[in-house]
Amino acid sequence: AAGVIQSPRHLIKEKRETATLKCYPIPRHDTVYWYQQGPGQDPQFLISFYEKMQSDKGSIPDRFSAQQFSDYHSELNMSSLELGDSALYFCASSLFNPPKGNTIYFGEGSWLTVV
Amino acid sequence: DAKTTQPPSMDCAEGRAANLPCNHSTISGNEYVYWYRQIHSQGPQYIIHGLKNNETNEMASLIITEDRKSSTLILPHATLRDTAVYYCIVRLPVDYGGATNKLIFGTGTLLAVQP
Repeated sequence: AAGVIQSPRHLIKEKRETATLKCYPIPRHDTVYWYQQGPGQDPQFLISFYEKMQSDKGSIPDRFSAQQFSDYHSELNMSSLELGDSALYFCASSLFNPPKGNTIYFGEGSWLTVV
Repeated sequence: DAKTTQPPSMDCAEGRAANLPCNHSTISGNEYVYWYRQIHSQGPQYIIHGLKNNETNEMASLIITEDRKSSTLILPHATLRDTAVYYCIVRLPVDYGGATNKLIFGTGTLLAVQP
């Protein structure tokens, strides 16, 4: 079965540069979520989108922005990168409102290293 | 969403059943219990979820106490590949009045399966 696809899988950027991560949800899923996981930490929710509209916002820095496009893929844009942004970034997708509670499926993540 | 409490770590012998407990004493009537796991640096993987009844799938069984204040995830025959951090998450779906569908990860249980 098709899973959540993230690209690139690995990314190295210098401080103050910009990075863009892409996420392709499972077909027919209308909701996308972004998470950040620093070294030794648990995944932290950043932001989510439903039908191209922001549906929830977590601890996403102002330097970061995201959007969901008409084909439901999503992009996370990170500007003025800092060393502390080095982390594993996960995208996840789900249906917004299915019966019996919805299940969120995660991609394999994109490793961002800021040097 | 209700908070959960899990032991920080557990050991299990290969081939034996792994029983992972989770306390969610403040759970409300329509909140689901979800279990995910994260193998080192991979995307969180959905295992199982339930509301009131016990559930079983090809990966695991979920036993929820009658008062719903705690649950146990059972891996019937643990293998070395089951070594991971297991997260118990309680969540109110949108169709039951939840604000959003995001998952909030706590600290989880590190299950170490020993040969």
